[in-house]
Amino acid sequence: EVQLVESGGVVVQPGGSLRLSCAASGFTFDDYAMNWVRQAPGKGLEWVSLISWEGGRTYYADSVKGRFTVSRRNTKNSLYLQMNSLRAEDTAFYYCAKDKYGGSGSYPIDSWGQGTLVTVSS
Amino acid sequence: DIQMTQSPSSLSASVGDRVTITCRASQGINNYLAWYQQKPGKVPELLIYAASTLQSGVPSRFSGSGSGTDFTLTISSLQPEDVATYYCQNYNNAPRTFGQGTKLEIK
Repeated sequence: EVQLVESGGVVVQPGGSLRLSCAASGFTFDDYAMNWVRQAPGKGLEWVSLISWEGGRTYYADSVKGRFTVSRRNTKNSLYLQMNSLRAEDTAFYYCAKDKYGGSGSYPIDSWGQGTLVTVSS
Repeated sequence: DIQMTQSPSSLSASVGDRVTITCRASQGINNYLAWYQQKPGKVPELLIYAASTLQSGVPSRFSGSGSGTDFTLTISSLQPEDVATYYCQNYNNAPRTFGQGTKLEIK
């Protein structure tokens, strides 16, 4: 069974930094591209970032480009999101999410973690 | 970047009704279109991908259609457990944008 467990969400001041982690199990982690998706409380889904299976290709939403960095450590079955220059509008649940198929193609998300809440507030 | 526009934003229908939700991409996305269902307090679940392929375990009353820029999610006979918010997503390329969501309620 696929399990994705996010951690690292806290209350942080505007301008601050935070690193989220996602521990993956139940599948061959280094075969799959991984996503971060966020959802502000009571709002819709916003795709944030994608990292290829080998970590060599990364992609970002315009809203976080230049401030967030996605990375992964396949030897530890772990995904990360380094978040800098945080703003109030970054307040959201952050979900780690797995592509449906492995490899380098374009695939939908078929598994989600339960999310970790990041609150940006003074 | 490709924008995804869903309509309507909210919808109220009766049990047994046929329900249709549409999603329009600002440019062609080669059928790389997924639909997700998010029930209150839960994480999203994949319903349909490649515009019309039903994810394993999803009831057959759900179907998807469309190509290019215009896509549709149909529920053939609405059930009480279908109360949820539905999202489309372009996964053709990054950014893999979601639509704004359609909140479905029972009348």
